[in-house]
Amino acid sequence: SQTIHQWPATLVQPVGSPLSLECTVEGTSNPNLYWYRQAAGRGLQLLFYSVGIGQISSEVPQNLSASRPQDRQFILSSKKLLLSDSGFYLCAWIYRAGWTEAFFGQGTRLTVV
Amino acid sequence: GQQVMQIPQYQHVQEGEDFTTYCNSSTTLSNIQWYKQRPGGHPVFLIQLVKSGEVKKQKRLTFQFGEAKKNSSLHITATQTTDVGTYFCAESSYGGATNKLIFGTGTLLAVQP
Repeated sequence: SQTIHQWPATLVQPVGSPLSLECTVEGTSNPNLYWYRQAAGRGLQLLFYSVGIGQISSEVPQNLSASRPQDRQFILSSKKLLLSDSGFYLCAWIYRAGWTEAFFGQGTRLTVV
Repeated sequence: GQQVMQIPQYQHVQEGEDFTTYCNSSTTLSNIQWYKQRPGGHPVFLIQLVKSGEVKKQKRLTFQFGEAKKNSSLHITATQTTDVGTYFCAESSYGGATNKLIFGTGTLLAVQP
């Protein structure tokens, strides 16, 4: 069966520090991968999506970047965190072919102080 | 760009009352998915609607897709405390280089026992 791992679960980082969040998928190949951010009590904002290794599409201009070094690995990064980067970050994957459901990781709650 | 609005943003009901959330788009939707996110958790897929006028039921939950494919609704009959959470609709746009899953703004449901 397919599983998605996302870590860490919680993170407290000072302003100006770097960030690296990792997401890996098991049990499937060639997934579409997504990073979402959810501010407290708000909706899900699509940050990045990837249809293959090295292929990243950015949805909103921001202080973050994403990379996909391997087929089932998706990384969210920042060189210098801002207070506004605080939020709940969710990784998700969808089967490559067609309109199917998204499977989400457990999420990382990031607090920038 | 894609915009999927949901109303209401928040709904508080007594246990046993019915609940409905509406999802509206300014453009024709290719499909609509519904997700539930429990407090502190990650979104979990409920259902997908594809056809104009489609209606699907899952126990006390009824999902509808509008005839013009520009709106959708989720109706819960006789709410229970286990229904607490945020309900999101989402559109999956799939094709070529575009493989995005855009979420609505969400409706937070509170159920008082």
